[in-house]
Amino acid sequence: QVQLVESGGGLVKPGGSLRLSCAASGFGFRDYYMSWLRQAPGKEPEWVSYISATSSYTNYADSVKGRFTISRDNAKNTLYLQMNRLRVEDTAVYYCGRDGGLQRYWGQGTLVTVSS
Amino acid sequence: DIQMTQSPSTLAASVGDRVTITCRASQSIRSFLAWYQQKPGKAPKLLINRVSILESGVPSRFSGGGSGTEFTLTISSLQPDDFATYYCQHYDNYVGTFGQGTKVEIQ
Repeated sequence: QVQLVESGGGLVKPGGSLRLSCAASGFGFRDYYMSWLRQAPGKEPEWVSYISATSSYTNYADSVKGRFTISRDNAKNTLYLQMNRLRVEDTAVYYCGRDGGLQRYWGQGTLVTVSS
Repeated sequence: DIQMTQSPSTLAASVGDRVTITCRASQSIRSFLAWYQQKPGKAPKLLINRVSILESGVPSRFSGGGSGTEFTLTISSLQPDDFATYYCQHYDNYVGTFGQGTKVEIQ
């Protein structure tokens, strides 16, 4: 069965950096677009970024463009999100998802807290 | 950008009630509309895609309808497991935009 396991969240000061990882199993990782989504406390989920199967295409929400970088290692079945220049408003649970758009499969999420 | 607006924000109901949640899009989204259920501390769970197609394992008391800019999620007879927050989502092949959510509470 499809399994997605995020890691790398934690507490970081404004302006700091974090790298999230998502380990995928149970499907042909190299054949699928992958996405990152996030959900701030008490808010709806928000799409953050996607990457194509071969890393040829990436896209970002305006709120993170220029600060976050999505990447993947198909040999390791792992998705990444490098987050730089973090802001208080980036505080959220971050989820990885298989595919872009419609999200049938989600990880359990990893909490990122940006606070001084 | 297309905006998704749900109503109501909160809904108090009893077991056995028929419940309807509405989702409106700021422009026509054809049939690219999904519904998710989320319980505290858990990831959202996809219930319905393409307006009315139930995901495997989703009880038949859930149904979706609508077209264009106005869509509904109906629970025909609310069960204890259904108390949760529900989100609509407009999606394309790459990205998705969620509504602000409707929390279904016990009356």
